Amino acid sequence: DVKVTQSSRYLVKRTGEKVFLECVQDMDHENMFWYRQDPGLGLRLIYFSYDVKMKEKGDIPEGYSVSREKKERFSLILESASTNQTSMYLCASSPHGNTEAFFGQGTRLTVV
Amino acid sequence: EDQVTQSPEALRLQEGESSSLNCSYTVSGLRGLFWYRQDPGKGPEFLFTLYSAGEEKEKERLKATLTKKESFLHITAPKPEDSATYLCAGGATNKLIFGTGTLLAVQP
Repeated sequence: DVKVTQSSRYLVKRTGEKVFLECVQDMDHENMFWYRQDPGLGLRLIYFSYDVKMKEKGDIPEGYSVSREKKERFSLILESASTNQTSMYLCASSPHGNTEAFFGQGTRLTVV
Repeated sequence: EDQVTQSPEALRLQEGESSSLNCSYTVSGLRGLFWYRQDPGKGPEFLFTLYSAGEEKEKERLKATLTKKESFLHITAPKPEDSATYLCAGGATNKLIFGTGTLLAVQP
């Protein structure tokens, strides 16, 4: 079975902190994604990566950056956390293109 | 603009009461229509992919169908353990476009 693992289930951070969310997949997938999920808005794509060191902006990249130094690991960085970044963050991976994407368990981030 | 719309937003069923969830989509160059199940506080769990109109897929009490404009998730004789949010997504270039989901509650 595909496994996508996010480093934390719950995080509480202060406004202005730099926050790192880590994601690891064990299926050698080329593509990895970061989404955020908010009530009434659904899942929205923040960034994706189709290869090591490659990244592309999604629909809502402002205030975020990403890093992919190894194929299995994709990190989301909040440079200076703000309260409007309080959300559920979901990492996903897929083998290529947009075939089935498999999700991690999510990280519930609260910025206070 | 690419868009996926799900209805209803919420659905309450009695155990054994069959129903359908709707997903309408306008996605340029659709590359698959995806259904996921999401339990509270967890990530979405993949259920089905449909690629062409007329295609159907089944898994236990769930059956997904696809037309050129819509997809339906039919739930036959649901059980309380089927309670979850069901998400639909359209495959576009390099991403999935999600609807906001249908929250299904099945009462015993």
